Parts: sequence; C-alpha cells; structure tokens
Amino acid sequence: GNSVTQMEGPVTLSEEAFLTINCTYTATGYPSLFWYVQYPGEGLQLLLKATKADDKGSNKGFEATYRKETTSFHLEKGSVQVSDSAVYFCALSGGYQKVTFGIGTKLQVIP
Amino acid sequence: DTEVTQTPKHLVMGMTNKKSLKCEQHMGHRAMYWYKQKAKKPPELMFVYSYEKLSINESVPSRFSPECPNSSLLNLHLHALQPEDSALYLCASRPLFLTGGRTNEKLFFGSGTQLSVL
Repeated sequence: GNSVTQMEGPVTLSEEAFLTINCTYTATGYPSLFWYVQYPGEGLQLLLKATKADDKGSNKGFEATYRKETTSFHLEKGSVQVSDSAVYFCALSGGYQKVTFGIGTKLQVIP
Repeated sequence: DTEVTQTPKHLVMGMTNKKSLKCEQHMGHRAMYWYKQKAKKPPELMFVYSYEKLSINESVPSRFSPECPNSSLLNLHLHALQPEDSALYLCASRPLFLTGGRTNEKLFFGSGTQLSVL
C-alpha cells in the first residue's frame, strides 16, 4: 500500500535559518504529493502540492520538488520566521479518494 | 465561501452519552471525510462519503456512525465511546470529478472538534 516517511521532530531553528524537512514515499502509479501545515488548535491547511514528476510546488517561500527517481518531496525554505512554527505533514494521494499522511514534523523557530 | 465549518469546537462526554459532531461546507464538494487525530500523530482516515454515499469505512468501530444527509452536511454520531476515543476529529472535503475518484485536488479541512470522553 501507499506510505509516507517523514523525518521526526521537533526541528528547532533560529529565525532566518534554512529549513529542510525530508519526505519520501512509497506508492503504486503516479501519486500527487502535498505538504500540509497545522497550527495549534486548528485543522490542516494545504501549503503546496505537485501532481507529476519534476513539478515544483511553492507557496509563502516554501518549496518542494516531486522527485520520482528518489521518491522524495522534501520541503525547503530559505529563511524561516517565528510565524512558521507549526506541524508540517507530507501526504500523497494516489488511490481512490485516500490521502496518506506522514507522521508530521514539528517546527519551532526561535527569535 | 471556502470554509469547512465544524461544530462543536469542544465536546466532553461520558461513556454512556450519545452525541453528534457536525460538519458543513458550501463549496459544492461531493467528497467528504472524517479523520481522527490523536495528539502528536497524523490524521487517520475513518470514513469517506462520495456523492452522499459511504465509499470508505476504515474498519471503524460501530460506536461511530457517520451520516451524510445532503451534499453540504456530514455528521458523526457517537454512542458508548471509550476514553481512548478522545481525540481531535477533523472533517474534510474535496471536489469530485465525473471521470472517477482519483483527483489531485487538495483537501479542505475544518478546525476540528476536540473530543474528551470521561
């Protein structure tokens, strides 16, 4: 079945540091890949997505590239802010209606 | 309107109580989902409704009973829950296309109902 492997946190960074959160996946066929973000006490919000190999999703300074050869979709941001502190979930959608989530990575950005 | 609205935001119930969670969206999405999320864990799929019909049940215990009375509403009826059922219950929706179930469209999530079972 489909699965998503995501680095465990928490990840603690100083403001303006570079961020990478690793995500790899296992799936049959050609899944769509997503990064969702969850702020405390809230539901998940889509951060970015990519639907085919070599696509780059980007939003709010975050980027991730769909790498089919390495089955990866790593999240990056060049300069994090305190407001980026949240839990980030990598996810894939490849089968009928199902979305599979990774375990989530908590990011803490300190001033 | 691009929101998924869930009520109540918080719910405390005893193991003998019957309660219901409500979810509403007016985006015309014909797929609606219930997820359960324990603290520091990813959301776990419980149910999926497609065109108001139950299409996926992830072997959820019968003390959870979903209902989709129309294309905008999704309910989750709760009865005889256990303390381990305490969690954040998230509703989500997404568009469906006539060509089939596979879609690359994002899920729209509500803010969830934080449920505590005493």
